Amino acid sequence: SQQGEEDPQALSIQEGENATMNCSYKTSINNLQWYRQNSGRGLVHLILIRSNEREKHSGRLRVTLDTSKKSSSLLITASRAADTASYFCATDASGTYKYIFGTGTRLKVLA
Amino acid sequence: DGGITQSPKYLFRKEGQNVTLSCEQNLNHDAMYWYRQDPGQGLRLIYYSQIVNDFQKGDIAEGYSVSREKKESFPLTVTSAQKNPTAFYLCASSTEQGNSPLHFGNGTRLTVT
Repeated sequence: SQQGEEDPQALSIQEGENATMNCSYKTSINNLQWYRQNSGRGLVHLILIRSNEREKHSGRLRVTLDTSKKSSSLLITASRAADTASYFCATDASGTYKYIFGTGTRLKVLA
Repeated sequence: DGGITQSPKYLFRKEGQNVTLSCEQNLNHDAMYWYRQDPGQGLRLIYYSQIVNDFQKGDIAEGYSVSREKKESFPLTVTSAQKNPTAFYLCASSTEQGNSPLHFGNGTRLTVT
């Protein structure tokens, strides 16, 4: 079962522009996390937002969470070519440590 | 440096052979996970373990087996019963406490012909 679904599936922007990607999930959660994956590599944790939080910032990243809509968004401001990667959201079903990942958004930042 | 080590990076096997993928962590994490990633796809959970000598099936456990005899190690065996084993396999770990991030290894790309 795929808990999270990201959209868009792919996104291509110019360097300096902002990139927004969205994640929807199905069940109650303790937290939602965003990860980045460069091609052929493992995932790197970016940011975690708890279910009782609505917004969180980390550097050029801004994450929002709307538990009533079961959705989250990741905003990357002033994008750089080095931000080119796939981005995944992950959620844990409440009461478990079972993290389920979405299908990912492939971001390409053109220099 | 603390981290997760997966080995080997690339693995080739003939159909019908079992193969074991290694995952070792020195982060003192209680929980460990195995995910499978197919090209252009998200991650799907195979098995996870919250404590030594205990593990649970994920969404696609059929054709796979694991063991957790040591806190640091969580090897995954891909058996001949797995119908489509060619994929990118990722191991991860986290503290047992909730609200903690997953730390990933760099993956093993398995090709079965």
